[in-house]
Amino acid sequence: GQNIDQPTEMTATEGAIVQINCTYQTSGFNGLFWYQQHAGEAPTFLSYNVLDGLEEKGRFSSFLSRSKGYSYLLLKELQMKDSASYLCAVVDSNYQLIWGAGTKLIIKP
Amino acid sequence: GAVVSQHPSWVICKSGTSVKIECRSLDFQATTMFWYRQFPKQSLMLMATSNEGSKATYEQGVEKDKFLINHASLTLSTLTVTSAHPEDSSFYICSARHDRRTYEQYFGPGTRLTVT
Repeated sequence: GQNIDQPTEMTATEGAIVQINCTYQTSGFNGLFWYQQHAGEAPTFLSYNVLDGLEEKGRFSSFLSRSKGYSYLLLKELQMKDSASYLCAVVDSNYQLIWGAGTKLIIKP
Repeated sequence: GAVVSQHPSWVICKSGTSVKIECRSLDFQATTMFWYRQFPKQSLMLMATSNEGSKATYEQGVEKDKFLINHASLTLSTLTVTSAHPEDSSFYICSARHDRRTYEQYFGPGTRLTVT
């Protein structure tokens, strides 16, 4: 079966750095997305990785290792508005998005 | 660019009635649209995938006669929840993809459905 694992919840302090991990086992791989979702709102796109390595975008970076079936989202200089759920999603061999359950990130002052 | 709208943003209906939710791609043509359902504190659950001009493909466990999907044009897809029941109360989100070579999905703002 297809499986994506993320921690259910993480807590971090404002101004700090946090890394959210995602491991996956899917039938084929055509890329991995990270989305941010605030409570009661739809997901918004953060990043897309299809090749190994680190992609940096401002305070957010995303890393991918295809051989390990592993990705992480790195958030720097955390702000209170970063409190949200972060969803990892993999594009499988049928070009369908397989979603993780999401990681709820709580930022404390 | 790549804006997707949904209407209504929230709706309350009585048990047994039907509700239609619209999903529109405002500034691009969506070759494929997706309908998701999300219960509180749970992840997105894909309900169905629809390509313009063809029948929707439903995920296992989703009743196609209860959740009617119409993707009549490249900018509009509708989801009709027929004979709604309280257990259908959920957050329904659509997304659109405008190019089969691009896998990113652009999400609508979602529709909160409450069935009383």
